[in-house]
Amino acid sequence: SYELTQPPSVSVSPGQTARITCSGDALPTQYTHWYQQKPGQAPVLVIYKDSERSSGIPERFSGSSSGTTATLTISGVQAEDEADYYCHSAETSGTLWVFGGGTKVTVL
Amino acid sequence: EVQLVESGGGLVKPGGSLRLSCAASGFTFSSYHMNWVRQAPGKGLEWVAYISYGSGNIYYADSVKGRFTISRDNAENSLYLHMNSLKVEDTAVYYCARDQDSGYDSWGQGTLVSVSS
Repeated sequence: SYELTQPPSVSVSPGQTARITCSGDALPTQYTHWYQQKPGQAPVLVIYKDSERSSGIPERFSGSSSGTTATLTISGVQAEDEADYYCHSAETSGTLWVFGGGTKVTVL
Repeated sequence: EVQLVESGGGLVKPGGSLRLSCAASGFTFSSYHMNWVRQAPGKGLEWVAYISYGSGNIYYADSVKGRFTISRDNAENSLYLHMNSLKVEDTAVYYCARDQDSGYDSWGQGTLVSVSS
């Protein structure tokens, strides 16, 4: 079965840059989307189609994709960015979708 | 305002059945593809099922194929998930999510399904 691989955790100091990677064999042909989820809340779409920022999302959030790796970057991290982040994409046929295992971002 | 409200969760024994509903409002429901996504306690997100706006295309995760059925009623602005032969590992919060063909841009608050004897 198709899998997307993310690091379990990333720690960053306020004002620094956090980078979260997502690896998957089909990423060269499929878009990646990113979600933020805070405890007890539903996920929120942050980045769609690799690099497009969703409505209302601060400019410090950006996305990119190259080859089999997509990256979510949070520049100038703030305390409120502490959350779980999930990448999301489809396998090659486009009929099966998967989420990465999630990355917990901790703001030190 | 876009709203998705799930209902129908609860406690069920292994092998039992349950039907989840998702009531949509604030947008033209019949124009959007929809999905069910679940999250086991303390775990990550898992895509469960997809249905296109006109029900012409339906896909399932391997973990639920043959046991779960996704459906929709565009006249009632409602999405459904019929779950049969439930297993302990189906225990999760189930979310309905609107699909923009570019990520899931709206999510409900979720409904908890607990499968236990």
